[in-house]
Amino acid sequence: QVQLVQSGPEVKKPGASVKVSCKASGYTFTVHFIHWVRQAPGQGLEWVGWINPNTGGTNYAQKFQGRVTVTRDTSISTAYMELRRLSSDDGALYYCARANYNFAPFLDYWGQGALVTVSS
Amino acid sequence: EIVLTQSPGTLSLSPGERATLSCRASQSVSSSSLAWYQQKPGQAPRLLIYGASNRATGIPDRFSGSGSGTDFTLTVSRLEPEDFAVYYCQHYAGSLTFGPGTKVDIK
Repeated sequence: QVQLVQSGPEVKKPGASVKVSCKASGYTFTVHFIHWVRQAPGQGLEWVGWINPNTGGTNYAQKFQGRVTVTRDTSISTAYMELRRLSSDDGALYYCARANYNFAPFLDYWGQGALVTVSS
Repeated sequence: EIVLTQSPGTLSLSPGERATLSCRASQSVSSSSLAWYQQKPGQAPRLLIYGASNRATGIPDRFSGSGSGTDFTLTVSRLEPEDFAVYYCQHYAGSLTFGPGTKVDIK
């Protein structure tokens, strides 16, 4: 069965960086894009970006351009999202999700989320 | 950039009732690019509908999606206790956009 298992909670100081991992299993990792979506406490869903695990190509939301990097390691079917220069506004649950396609992508499997807390 | 608006913000209904949730796009979008998700407290979102009207694997047939252009609807024909949750619509056009969500709670 398809599973996305994310790394554990992180506590970071303002200005620091965080790197969250997402290990995929149950399918061929390089076939499906991985998207990252975050959710601040009590708020809605916000798209961060995606990676094509086959080519390593990426696309980021304009809001995060220059501050986020998504990478992958195909040998261990794992995607990573690194967010730099953290502020308190970045405190959120970060989800990875697998994209499937029907002329346009939709997210059919989600990780459990990784909580990032930013506090001095 | 396309903006998605969902209404109502909160829908208070009883089990067994019909729920009708709206998602409106700021400009016409392809139906292929519209999806709906359900999220319960403490859980990740779950895909319900893709391509505006296609149920995802394992989704009960009481969930249906419809619409085109700028107006899309998610209908739950008869609410079960497990259906009380927040529902998000999502669109893709180079970047992913989510609506603000509709909370369906118990009346």
